[in-house]
Amino acid sequence: AQSVSQHNHHVILSEAASLELGCNYSYGGTVNLFWYVQYPGQHLQLLLKYFSGDPLVKGIKGFEAEFIKSKFSFNLRKPSVQWSDTAEYFCAVRSGNTGKLIFGQGTTLQVKP
Amino acid sequence: DAGVIQSPRHEVTEMGQEVTLRCKPISGHDYLFWYRQTMMRGLELLIYFNNNVPIDDSGMPEDRFSAKMPNASFSTLKIQPSEPRDSAVYFCASSFVPETSGNTIYFGEGSWLTVV
Repeated sequence: AQSVSQHNHHVILSEAASLELGCNYSYGGTVNLFWYVQYPGQHLQLLLKYFSGDPLVKGIKGFEAEFIKSKFSFNLRKPSVQWSDTAEYFCAVRSGNTGKLIFGQGTTLQVKP
Repeated sequence: DAGVIQSPRHEVTEMGQEVTLRCKPISGHDYLFWYRQTMMRGLELLIYFNNNVPIDDSGMPEDRFSAKMPNASFSTLKIQPSEPRDSAVYFCASSFVPETSGNTIYFGEGSWLTVV
């Protein structure tokens, strides 16, 4: 069955620190990969997505993610976080065959000013 | 361009009452998803539709939950009877078919349900 695992449940960083959030998925077929962000009290917004092509994907607000097919991973990175990045981050995998979108458990990022 | 529209945004109801959540997907989208978000279980996919047909309802918690999509522009998620453990944020989302490059799934702002 399709599943998504996020390594970190809660991350606390100081401003300007670098960020890497891990995401691994289990699905053998064609997948599309996403990172969504949810700011406190708000709905989910797309940060970036991988569909095909260059495995290094750049998204909004300075975020990027790298798809490593051999490791079934799609880790999210940002070189220097800001206080405004405090939010919950969700990795998601969509099956190219069924269209089903499954989310990881989410990682709460707290950035201290 | 209007996004995914959900109603009501907030609802407080008493245990045992029927709750109906509504969703209008983005025009032209072929897929519609219902998710539930709680602190304990995170984001759970309840059910999704393709061209108005339910494809996978394995995430629906029990028979008290039902979802319909009578046409391409409207879907409902119904809970009858409601219980306090149903309290959560319910998100509706829609997208084009996965094969297209524009297959991003767009989320509504959620319906915040509290059952007392």
